[in-house]
Amino acid sequence: DIQMTQSPSSLSASVGDRVTITCRASQGIRNDLGWYQQKPGKAPKRLIYAASSLQSGVPSRFSGSGSGTEFTLTISSLQPEDFATYYCLQHNSYPPWTFGQGTKVEIK
Amino acid sequence: EVQLVESGGGLVQPGGSLRLSCAASGFTFSSYDMHWVRQATGKGLEWVSAIGTAGDTYYPGSVKGRFTISRENAKNSLYLQMNSLRAGDTAVYYCARGQGGSPDVWGKGTTVTVSS
Repeated sequence: DIQMTQSPSSLSASVGDRVTITCRASQGIRNDLGWYQQKPGKAPKRLIYAASSLQSGVPSRFSGSGSGTEFTLTISSLQPEDFATYYCLQHNSYPPWTFGQGTKVEIK
Repeated sequence: EVQLVESGGGLVQPGGSLRLSCAASGFTFSSYDMHWVRQATGKGLEWVSAIGTAGDTYYPGSVKGRFTISRENAKNSLYLQMNSLRAGDTAVYYCARGQGGSPDVWGKGTTVTVSS
């Protein structure tokens, strides 16, 4: 199985900050990766697919990059509504589809 | 509007069974892969099963042999039959549509509690 390691597990940031979250795959997964945002009590929402493609309706301050084993989600200017938990998901080698353990973005 | 609505969750004793349903609307259900994903309270997301448009099914080792995913395209419905349930299966279960290889649209979830 492919393991997905996210870092950091949590971070504190202020409105307007640039935030970067990293996901590393235990083996190469090309660009078969998505990023999700989840707010408490709500279902996840896909932000990015194919590692760098922005889901329709998602603000352009979100961006994804990477290929192979290292991937990054960047929020260029953190907004109040962005405080949430973020997950990566690989779909290159399955089963299983595997999520990262999550990164909680909190208000500093 | 694309919508997924789960139902069938509840309280069940260890060793018991439960069948979850997911009603899809707003898209051509038969043309999409479908997934179940779960989340225990305070924990991360865990992929549970998937079914392709041709009826091919996929499971992780943790549920293989106990859970069965199925679909009924005529009713725009997805199902998850869960047998031999354990305390560790307690979670919110989400139904999700697969698009581009990963889930894009998610339902609001249904809660399964396995306890005596």
